[in-house]
Amino acid sequence: KNQVEQSPQSLIILEGKNCTLQCNYTVSPFSNLRWYKQDTGRGPVSLTIMTFSENTKSNGRYTATLDADTKQSSLHITASQLSDSASYICVVSDLPRGLTGGGNKLTFGTGTQLKVEL
Amino acid sequence: DTAVSQTPKYLVTQMGNDKSIKCEQNLGHDTMYWYKQDSKKFLKIMFSYNNKELIINETVPNRFSPKSPDKAHLNLHINSLELGDSAVYFCASSQADRGLGAFFGQGTRLTVV
Repeated sequence: KNQVEQSPQSLIILEGKNCTLQCNYTVSPFSNLRWYKQDTGRGPVSLTIMTFSENTKSNGRYTATLDADTKQSSLHITASQLSDSASYICVVSDLPRGLTGGGNKLTFGTGTQLKVEL
Repeated sequence: DTAVSQTPKYLVTQMGNDKSIKCEQNLGHDTMYWYKQDSKKFLKIMFSYNNKELIINETVPNRFSPKSPDKAHLNLHINSLELGDSAVYFCASSQADRGLGAFFGQGTRLTVV
């Protein structure tokens, strides 16, 4: 069964500090892994997308890493800001329809709730 | 120019009623989704439509029926609403063969009283 597990479940850090969120997955076959940020009361917004061949990808203060061998990913947030307070969701996609004969499927992690305080 | 738009944003209704949530995407994507986010903030896929064809139905109750009049629209109709249906429902779209990230709507908060 495809699963995506995230840790920690919640995290509180001081403004300006760095933090790292973890994602482990068992999705197979693997197509890509995405990190989303979801602000309270809003829809998820994509931060990064990585395919099998990509090890790291940055988006401003967000840097995602992917180890396809161990099926692990991390999202590193540098110099955190109050506006970083949100839920961060790891999502893994299987192969697109053209390759498997079925539709691609997104498996969602349960998210990490990050709170940045003064 | 909202990429994925849902209406209404809030919906309060009584048990037993039938309601619909509409979703439209202007990205030209070929796959659209409906997700339910429960009180624990966990997003769970309900349906996926690829080129108007149902691909995934995650064993949701048959009171929920997706309807896709065309590639840009995927509406969610719910019959005989129950208290447990209260949640936030998200519509999303993606282009399957490019592996692009899904774009999400702003969500519809459904409250059944």
